[in-house]
Parts: sequence; C-alpha cells; structure tokens
Amino acid sequence: DAGVTQSPTHLIKTRGQQVTLRCSPKSGHDTVSWYQQALGQGPQFIFQYYEEEERQRGNFPDRFSGHQFPNYSSELNVNALLLGDSALYLCASSGGHEAFFGQGTRLTVV
Amino acid sequence: SQKIEQNSEALNIQEGKTATLTCNYTNYSPAYLQWYRQDPGRGPVFLLLIRENEKEKRKERLKVTFDTTLKQSLFHITASQPADSATYLCALDAPGNTDKLIFGTGTRLQVFP
Repeated sequence: DAGVTQSPTHLIKTRGQQVTLRCSPKSGHDTVSWYQQALGQGPQFIFQYYEEEERQRGNFPDRFSGHQFPNYSSELNVNALLLGDSALYLCASSGGHEAFFGQGTRLTVV
Repeated sequence: SQKIEQNSEALNIQEGKTATLTCNYTNYSPAYLQWYRQDPGRGPVFLLLIRENEKEKRKERLKVTFDTTLKQSLFHITASQPADSATYLCALDAPGNTDKLIFGTGTRLQVFP
C-alpha cells in the first residue's frame, strides 16, 4: 500500500515564476491538506481539499491555489514566486484525525 | 489566536535514559493533541494521538500525557536509543472540528551512545 507520494522532490525556480507541486494521497483517503515548512519551523497549514473543493484555508495569499482531482490527487500552485516562498512543501492525507505526510517537495526560489 | 510552544533548544540525552519533551498551548482547548516525528528533509510521521478526556496514552516505549488544566502535554521516550534522534512536533486540532492541524516548532532530540 503506497503512502502519500509527492513530486517533484526538489525544485529550483526564479523569483516571479510559477510552480506546480503534485500529491497522491494514501489509498482510501479522500482529504488532502498542504503545509509549508520553513527551515527550523513547524508546518504551516495552507489549505485543505475534500470532494474536489477547498474546504479550509490558512493565512496564505491568493498566490497560493490548489486543485483536487476525482481520484483525490491534488496540486498546489504558487504564482509570482517570492524568495520567502522557499520552503519544504508537505502534502498530507487523512481518513481520520491523524495525518499521513509525504516526503515533501523542497522548493528553492532564487 | 492559538499558540503552541515547544522547547526550541535541542535536548541531548544519553542512550538508555528517558527523554521528556514538553508542549504548551494557549488560547484554545483542543479536542485532541498529536505528536509527530520528523527526520531531516523528510515529512512528519504520526506517533500518537491523545484526546482531551484521556490523561495518558502509551505505545511501546512512548508515553504521552495531556493536562487540559495546565494546557500542557508531555512526551516521553523510555530507554532511548540513538535511532530516536529526530525532531518531535506537537500538533493540535484547530477550532471548528476540522482536520486542520496547528504545529509547534518542534524540539530536536539527540541521543548519544
């Protein structure tokens, strides 16, 4: 049983560019959440998707958007990248209270 | 807003000893609290969940306590091993009966042989 998978694992982008990160949830899970983790900090909630709709959103600007597909996989899009967007982006799926995280995508904005 | 505090300083202990990590929270009464382990460059891994009506939870060498009066959770690893070295994150559920988690900054544990 595959866990949560994310792609790519690493990414380098230039300031102002756009990026798309992908996530496949754990089998049987229909809820996907995205988190941003800066170095030395805990994960910060970006948003959550359920039944292809954004169910909740954290304190992130509209440059951060997402999508969930009928097979429950999800994408995170970030437009107009800033240097401060450099972080580890984590996808988590859940079928109950505990979250199962992917290995993350390390985004570096230069 | 809800705030979670974990000791930002690293905890260094000798192999075989018990490691105790602290998580304090304010401005909220969570229905449950969770602990995760995170290795460098990896995603967090779920360890234990404790509900507001539970005082203590155990899993193998791990023990979690939850004091809703003190607004504090303690996480214990008994008979610690070098393989336990990692960052441990405390997380609580956000208000509104949702699956959104609010994380602390984590405490780095280093177990020396």
